[in-house]
Order: sequence, then structure tokens, then C-alpha cells
Amino acid sequence: DQQVKQNSPSLSVQEGRISILNCDYTNSMFDYFLWYKKYPAEGPTFLISISSIKDKNEDGRFTVFLNKSAKHLSLHIVPSQPGDSAVYFCAASGGGGSTLGRLYFGRGTQLTVWP
Amino acid sequence: DAEITQSPRHKITETGRQVTLACHQTWNHNNMFWYRQDLGHGLRLIHYSYGVQDTNKGEVSDGYSVSRSNTEDLPLTLESAASSQTSVYFCASSLDQGANTEAFFGQGTRLTVV
Repeated sequence: DQQVKQNSPSLSVQEGRISILNCDYTNSMFDYFLWYKKYPAEGPTFLISISSIKDKNEDGRFTVFLNKSAKHLSLHIVPSQPGDSAVYFCAASGGGGSTLGRLYFGRGTQLTVWP
Repeated sequence: DAEITQSPRHKITETGRQVTLACHQTWNHNNMFWYRQDLGHGLRLIHYSYGVQDTNKGEVSDGYSVSRSNTEDLPLTLESAASSQTSVYFCASSLDQGANTEAFFGQGTRLTVV
């Protein structure tokens, strides 16, 4: 049962435009959300996170928005650059008890930024 | 600099063989995780540990085992390798159970079972 869902396996965006990657979750106990970026033949690297007490977090060109009522978060990249082409994973943690600290991942979205 | 390293980076083994993948971190993190990445499935959790002598099953633990005898290492053992275990394996670590912090990943081990 997938608790974190990324329904778009791929996204193609022109350089300079905005990239919007979406993520939905089902577990209302999740209280911390993260985005990871993965290049081929490398491990995932942390990109940005947001706590459930916030609805927005920015870091340079990257902004994550959280809508708790809809159990939805999104990652905005503005402006998109060719070097942003990678697989982006959404992840969530929380839930309490023995699962605290464990990350639940979506299936990833392949972002391609073309010149 | 602190880091997390996996070895080997690539491994080919035969069906039925026992295989152990190594993971070593120097951050002194309590939490360690093993994931596998497969096309169409993203990252799926195999086993995880919150500290020495603690191990827990993830969502795809059948056929795998781990042991945590010290803080730095969490080796993953495939008891009898099967072709379905051909995958890319990632080890990760994070600070501790009570903290909302990111996990840091190793570079991955590509395992092929023939």
C-alpha cells in the first residue's frame, strides 16, 4: 500500500520555465516531508524539506508547498535549468511509535529540462 | 568529512549464493536503512535499524537479513540470492529516531543475480 504517491512518472519542461512536481500522501500522521534528487549511478541527495507546521519553504530556486487538508505537496523549481534533469523523489516521515524516523518514498518523477 | 560508503559498487552473483553488501557511515548516526530501487517501484525499504542490536523489517524484507553490531555498519545479507533480487541497493543513515532530519544516502550497489 503506497502511502506516498507521485502520479506523474515524467515531466518535461523548457529551460527557464517553472517545473512543478506533485506528491500526495495518505497517512495523516506524517509530519515531515522531503524532496530528494537523484542522478543516474548516484545515490539520492537531499534537496529541501518542510515540517507540517509550515505551508511553504524556500531555498533558492526551490520552493516546497504543503497543503495538509488535501494531503498534497508540490516542489516548484524556478527557473528550471538543464542541470535539474534528474529523478525527484518525494518522501514523508512521522506516524509515531516504531516507524518514527523512517522515510516513506514515492516512486519518483523523471524531470527533463530541455534548452 | 563524514560520509556513508557502500561496497562493492557492482556485484554479479549466481542464484542460490549468499551475498553480503556492506554499508559504513562515519556520522555516528543511530538510524540506518537499506532500500532497493527498481523501475516503476521507486525506493522500497528492506530493513532498518535505530541503534546497535536493533533491527526491523521493512516492506520487502523476505530473503534479506541485517545485523547491527556497532553504530557505523549495517551489512545486508541475501541468504540465497534469487533473480528477483537483481536491483540497485542503497544504504542510508539519519540522526536519530526522534529528530526530523534528512537521511543521507550512499552511492548504491548494483547487484545482478544470474
